[in-house]
Amino acid sequence: SSELTQDPAVSVALGQTVRITCQGDSLRSYSANWYQQKPGQAPVLVIYGKNKRPSGIPDRFSGSSSGNTASLTITGAQAEDEADYSCNSRDTSGNHWVFGGGTKLTVL
Amino acid sequence: QVQLVESGGGLVKPGGSLRLSCAASGFTFSDYYMSWIRQAPGKGLEWVSYIGSSSSFTYYADSVKGRFTISRDNAKNSLYLQMNSLRAEDTAVYYCARGGDTSIDYWGQGTLVTVSS
Repeated sequence: SSELTQDPAVSVALGQTVRITCQGDSLRSYSANWYQQKPGQAPVLVIYGKNKRPSGIPDRFSGSSSGNTASLTITGAQAEDEADYSCNSRDTSGNHWVFGGGTKLTVL
Repeated sequence: QVQLVESGGGLVKPGGSLRLSCAASGFTFSDYYMSWIRQAPGKGLEWVSYIGSSSSFTYYADSVKGRFTISRDNAKNSLYLQMNSLRAEDTAVYYCARGGDTSIDYWGQGTLVTVSS
């Protein structure tokens, strides 16, 4: 298996842009998916595949990838975006899934 | 709309067993891979297992392999997780989720499993 590494915490001023990153060897071969999780709630998929947004996800959320790093960018962060964000992808074997440890986003 | 409702969680002693169920609705269940993911209190998400759409294959995280068994009943639109030889470190909220091939998209609200004497 392999690991995905995320910064534990990131903060952003209201209305500004923030990038949350995810690093791991498997990202060289597999796309990252991104989940938003608010306290006491189930995760919600916000980005999947190569920068695709599920229906209902605002277009201020976008994804990108380069080498072993995937990024989730929120352009014009809103108060309601304050949450934990986790990345996931297939592991290097391709048979298992792996999650990053999550990044707690604070909107100031 | 897609709905996933887990049940079967609770308090169990170390070494005990528990069977989780997930009732799916709002989509053609038999068309999708299905997954279980867990989250220990205050911790991140951990993938546990997934099963192919026709049960032709299953995969497990190393941490549960040999102790947990995933299964499904497409006629009942239901997913299951049989958990044996439970340990304190298995304490978590267990989420049923749709997908496991290219992405995991919809999640249930989760069911809490507590392993304690």
